[in-house]
Amino acid sequence: SQQGEEDPQALSIQEGENATMNCSYKTSINNLQWYRQNSGRGLVHLILIRSNEREKHSGRLRVTLDTSKKSSSLLITASRAADTASYFCATALNSGNTPLVFGKGTRLSVIA
Amino acid sequence: GAGVSQSPRYKVAKRGQDVALRCDPISGHVSLFWYQQALGQGPEFLTYFQNEAQLDKSGLPSDRFFAERPEGSVSTLKIQRTQQEDSAVYLCASTPRGGGTYEQYFGPGTRLTVT
Repeated sequence: SQQGEEDPQALSIQEGENATMNCSYKTSINNLQWYRQNSGRGLVHLILIRSNEREKHSGRLRVTLDTSKKSSSLLITASRAADTASYFCATALNSGNTPLVFGKGTRLSVIA
Repeated sequence: GAGVSQSPRYKVAKRGQDVALRCDPISGHVSLFWYQQALGQGPEFLTYFQNEAQLDKSGLPSDRFFAERPEGSVSTLKIQRTQQEDSAVYLCASTPRGGGTYEQYFGPGTRLTVT
């Protein structure tokens, strides 16, 4: 079963615009991670935010976490055509090497 | 350094055949995970090893699925008597240590098609 639900399922924007994707989950978590998957390839880790953190930045990425609402958002600023991919949130219920529970993903298309 | 590798990248099996999927984790990584990703879905957890010990196999969908990691490095996921519903991409991931909170490093996956 999948814990996370990403919203929207698909998003199409122009190059240079910002893209925002949301993720909701059901149970308490230790941390939440965002991954990117290009067509036909494996997942690449983007950013990890712990349950005691509210916001984190990495380059053009900004992630927020609201544990009271069980939700997270991923913002990609100044998008590029190369950002075209599927984006998944994944939750870890415990610390340590615990399996990740993924959502269904948001398909982002950035049009040049 | 080399990332996680998986072989074969593509596998076509006739229904009822047995298949074996291989994962080579990053050298020295202690933990290894297998996930199954159906078309248009996110990955779903199958099983997890720490070194050679299989600590969690709760995600394996049936007793036709079997995984091993006998020497704590390479892992093999075996599917016996494949069915059409087994068609999916099988992803392997590894992490460096047994404790703490880490990102997972994924391989490119094996796309299994059962005809």
